[in-house]
Amino acid sequence: DAKTTQPPSMDCAEGRAANLPCNHSTISGNEYVYWYRQIHSQGPQYIIHGLKNNETNEMASLIITEDRKSSTLILPHATLRDTAVYYCIVRVAGGYQKVTFGTGTKLQVIP
Amino acid sequence: GAVVSQHPSRVICKSGTSVKIECRSLDFQATTMFWYRQFPKQSLMLMATSNEGSKATYEQGVEKDKFLINHASLTLSTLTVTSAHPEDSSFYICSASPGSYEQYFGPGTRLTVT
Repeated sequence: DAKTTQPPSMDCAEGRAANLPCNHSTISGNEYVYWYRQIHSQGPQYIIHGLKNNETNEMASLIITEDRKSSTLILPHATLRDTAVYYCIVRVAGGYQKVTFGTGTKLQVIP
Repeated sequence: GAVVSQHPSRVICKSGTSVKIECRSLDFQATTMFWYRQFPKQSLMLMATSNEGSKATYEQGVEKDKFLINHASLTLSTLTVTSAHPEDSSFYICSASPGSYEQYFGPGTRLTVT
């Protein structure tokens, strides 16, 4: 799996958009970008994934650059419950593929 | 989304004893499940891949005789920590997939060995 680079921590004001960047310059053509988050002392939660087009669901939006070497996860209106560690992962699609976690970004939403 | 459960949620055991942790997919079948371990303030580390009806595949550095994995059915995988020691104290998490793009993670099991 391609390696990813994320800032170790970020702060975001409650109600504002949280933009979490991720660099994955060695991504292969068949690898997807996945985002998970882990709230303290819980199991990781799937957020969103994409190949090359921008994606949006009820939780977040995923913006992938045209060269696919970086992406941004956007939480449009951050709440205190969004405080968590966010992991950007690049891997081949398929639920049977193992997930390799990096160090992630600790997002702190501030009241 | 699909639901994965773990039991127990937390367990305290004495050094030298064995502890079994269960991982269940509640509303789907999973031929493959994964086991992770997470130490405080660290990321998740993959321990092994559990395959229904066959032997588990362990990551480098994980002792297969210490961490016994049994995937007896399409909805249940168990991890047994044998002869536990304080350094085995950790947060153990499993994951499974119904065969789609996503993997679903259990809520984790906090193991404390005294």
